[in-house]
Amino acid sequence: NAGVTQTPKFRVLKTGQSMTLLCAQDMNHEYMYWYRQDPGMGLRLIHYSVGEGTTAKGEVPDGYNVSRLKKQNFLLGLESAAPSQTSVYFCASSPWTGNTEAFFGQGTRLTVV
Amino acid sequence: GQQLNQSPQSMFIQEGEDVSMNCTSSSIFNTWLWYKQDPGEGPVLLIALYKAGELTSNGRLTAQFGITRKDSFLNISASIPSDVGIYFCAGQIGSARQLTFGSGTQLTVLP
Repeated sequence: NAGVTQTPKFRVLKTGQSMTLLCAQDMNHEYMYWYRQDPGMGLRLIHYSVGEGTTAKGEVPDGYNVSRLKKQNFLLGLESAAPSQTSVYFCASSPWTGNTEAFFGQGTRLTVV
Repeated sequence: GQQLNQSPQSMFIQEGEDVSMNCTSSSIFNTWLWYKQDPGEGPVLLIALYKAGELTSNGRLTAQFGITRKDSFLNISASIPSDVGIYFCAGQIGSARQLTFGSGTQLTVLP
């Protein structure tokens, strides 16, 4: 059981380039999330999804877009990367009912130069 | 957004010592979770708390959901080298499923 898988694990972008981060979960979870982690700031929510075909903004959504075309996948897009988007990005998922415990992927380290 | 104040930011302790860290907020939380993050990995859930006053243990770890629902603490007893990492508190407010995270406590265990 793979849980939450993120690809790629590392990426370097030039300012202005675009890219998509992929998150896949095999736990049949309804909720999926994208967080960014910066030193001393914990994890901040970028966007989230409460089900297939739905997305919502989190705490720091500017400069990012997301899509949830399939229940198991949640994509995070950067249309025009900026150095301020250098960070470690984590995807997480949680089930519809019961506990709100979120399960995390291993992260994607993105550097924008 | 909502803020969680987590302290201390970092701790250096001797192997075998006990450790305590806590999170506080001005908001009322329905859930408190404690995660540990190893270098290069994603956070892993340690303990989940769902009721005010709840005290839950997981091996050498003990966590409590504060009576006011605005705070939580995590204790680690008899620390060992593999306890090294960053510990995060996270909370859920109201009916929202998304979690708000504290800024983390970096724990170093000295031999």
